[in-house]
Amino acid sequence: GAGVSQSPSNKVTEKGKDVELRCDPISGHTALYWYRQSLGQGLEFLIYFQGNSAPDKSGLPSDRFSAERTGGSVSTLTIQRTQQEDSAVYLCASSLYQNTIYFGEGSWLTVV
Amino acid sequence: QQQVKQSPQSLIVQKGGISIINCAYENTAFDYFPWYQQFPGKGPALLIAIRPDVSEKKEGRFTISFNKSAKQFSLHIMDSQPGDSATYFCAASSSISSGSARQLTFGSGTQLTVLP
Repeated sequence: GAGVSQSPSNKVTEKGKDVELRCDPISGHTALYWYRQSLGQGLEFLIYFQGNSAPDKSGLPSDRFSAERTGGSVSTLTIQRTQQEDSAVYLCASSLYQNTIYFGEGSWLTVV
Repeated sequence: QQQVKQSPQSLIVQKGGISIINCAYENTAFDYFPWYQQFPGKGPALLIAIRPDVSEKKEGRFTISFNKSAKQFSLHIMDSQPGDSATYFCAASSSISSGSARQLTFGSGTQLTVLP
């Protein structure tokens, strides 16, 4: 596609449920990134992928968070046993190597 | 060491005025300094970026000034327009491991309002 595509755009879930957020990067982009933006806050780096590999997972907030990327393209961020503090916008971005990083419009997650 | 400090948190400017947003960093490994613009409900979009080998970069009404010795950089928006009203984030980046990706460390954002 023309840009980074994320789904769902909005998700309301009950505390304790699992959620999956999907990111479809710009075609051909080698690197994929996940960020979290809490209301009125800056962007918190979560994880990045080089191809299908995630060399550094230390940015993930807890072991309830996991991410994978398959086929060097689509990525899924999974949050297990969601908590209210997980409510945020989850932003995906991609880049061709170290070039400009392009962001999607985000998945707005609300945990009630 | 990884923080990027941004100020002010909010800024109100009259149409036609100059908007100035400042950022400071600590990590001398940072080698790329972009500014992102974010409108409500949208993802951040790259506005302008600079590397530390130059002290200034200008694109249209937007200018980045970079002071390597002070580890500071700033965004200047000349002739500010109501359409510039958005949240602006500075960021700093260093290449990651083998150099095929970049980790952006963001400032906390500045909410700019340009009054008509």
